[in-house]
Amino acid sequence: DSGVTQTPKHLITATGQRVTLRCSPRSGDLSVYWYQQSLDQGLQFLIQYYNGEERAKGNILERFSAQQFPDLHSELNLSSLELGDSALYFCASSGSSYNEQFFGPGTRLTVL
Amino acid sequence: AQSVAQPEDQVNVAEGNPLTVKCTYSVSGNPYLFWYVQYPNRGLQFLLKYITGDNLVKGSYGFEAEFNKSQTSFHLKKPSALVSDSALYFCAVREMNSGYSTLTFGKGTMLLVSP
Repeated sequence: DSGVTQTPKHLITATGQRVTLRCSPRSGDLSVYWYQQSLDQGLQFLIQYYNGEERAKGNILERFSAQQFPDLHSELNLSSLELGDSALYFCASSGSSYNEQFFGPGTRLTVL
Repeated sequence: AQSVAQPEDQVNVAEGNPLTVKCTYSVSGNPYLFWYVQYPNRGLQFLLKYITGDNLVKGSYGFEAEFNKSQTSFHLKKPSALVSDSALYFCAVREMNSGYSTLTFGKGTMLLVSP
C-alpha cells in the first residue's frame, strides 16, 4: 500500500458528461501529480500541484482541469467526455523534488 | 527536454535465469533515474532510483540497476528471475536542477517469466 488513495475505483459514464476524480496524497506529501494511462498513449503526465499551486503542466486537454485543496487532497475534473478519454487515471504524490513518486491504485474511467 | 526509451516491448526469460530490462535516457544535464513496476490492475510501485553516487543501485525484490553515464543507460537487472516478477516495468527520468519534479516515463516493457 503506497499510502495514496483514489476514488472512485471505477467510473462508467456517457459521452458529453463530466466526472470528478479524487486523490488523497500520502501524509506529509505536498506534491500531487496526475497521469493518464492508455494502451495507445502509455503513461502520460497531465498536471502537478505543489501545496495548492499548479507547478507543471503536461499533456492535459483544455476539457480537463485540476485543483489541490488546503488539506492537500486533489481533484481532477474531466468534462465533455469523449470515447477516447477512457483510460486509467493515476494520482501520485511525493515529498520533495528529489524523492520518488508514490502512486495510487488508479481510477478506471470508461466512457460509453 | 528529457526523454526515456525502453527499446523492448517485451522480454521473455525462464525462471531462475538472469533478466535485463533496458532503458536509455536523454537529459540536458545530470539525471535522476527511477524504475517502477506495475502489476495488472494496480498502480505503479517504486523499485529503485539513482540520484548520485555508486553506479550500481539496489532496490526492492532483489532488483538492481546500473547507471552508465557514457551510454546514457540505466538497465534493470535481477540475477535470478521469478515467475512472480512478471509485470510491466517502467523507467523514468527527470533532469537534476530542472526546477520541476515531473518525471518522464518510458513506454514500459512487459516482462514474462516462464516456469
